[in-house]
Amino acid sequence: DAMVIQNPRYQVTQFGKPVTLSCSQTLNHNVMYWYQQKSSQAPKLLFHYYDKDFNNEADTPDNFQSRRPNTSFCFLDIRSPGLGDAAMYLCATSRTRQGQNIQYFGAGTRLSVL
Amino acid sequence: QQPVQSPQAVILREGEDAVINCSSSKALYSVHWYRQKHGEAPVFLMILLKGGEQKGHDKISASFNEKKQQSSLYLTASQLSYSGTYFCGTEWQTGANNLFFGTGTRLTVIP
Repeated sequence: DAMVIQNPRYQVTQFGKPVTLSCSQTLNHNVMYWYQQKSSQAPKLLFHYYDKDFNNEADTPDNFQSRRPNTSFCFLDIRSPGLGDAAMYLCATSRTRQGQNIQYFGAGTRLSVL
Repeated sequence: QQPVQSPQAVILREGEDAVINCSSSKALYSVHWYRQKHGEAPVFLMILLKGGEQKGHDKISASFNEKKQQSSLYLTASQLSYSGTYFCGTEWQTGANNLFFGTGTRLTVIP
């Protein structure tokens, strides 16, 4: 029944070692988002794809990259994780309708950096 | 730019009511409300569009005051399952695809 699936749920990496988080969806939504959420804070948008168009938030560090090879999958690459990148990473999708941009979230991947 | 929510935290006994407010410094097109339980993903509750909407289902309802750039979430006769952190998400223009999440309100319902 899961509609937005994130793998893995927990990821441990070493300082500076590249890591990739994945997200897949069965909703056939055209928009996919990646958020970073640190403890007791609101989700912070990193970037989103509108179909194949990539939209980067101005304050997203270059260390974060994303790929969307097809409608169903989206990846978050962290090229050189630092201790400050430890967080929950949330993937979300939406089907753009005028004023109805409801987002559906995956369960998240909790990243630890050692 | 981040919407401000108040209160930051509230503790209720079962059956009590609560109001959570969300204020924006920018003109809003829509306001979304999400609830996130600890360690889980945010779950969509409802969306309100400009035009002064009010919505509700079960014992949770919300209003949107476009002129004041504010939205309020009303929880009545609270249940233990209402516990979690509530976020408003604001959309500034239709089709922008971006939601800006508020500062969050942690709600704890105790027996």
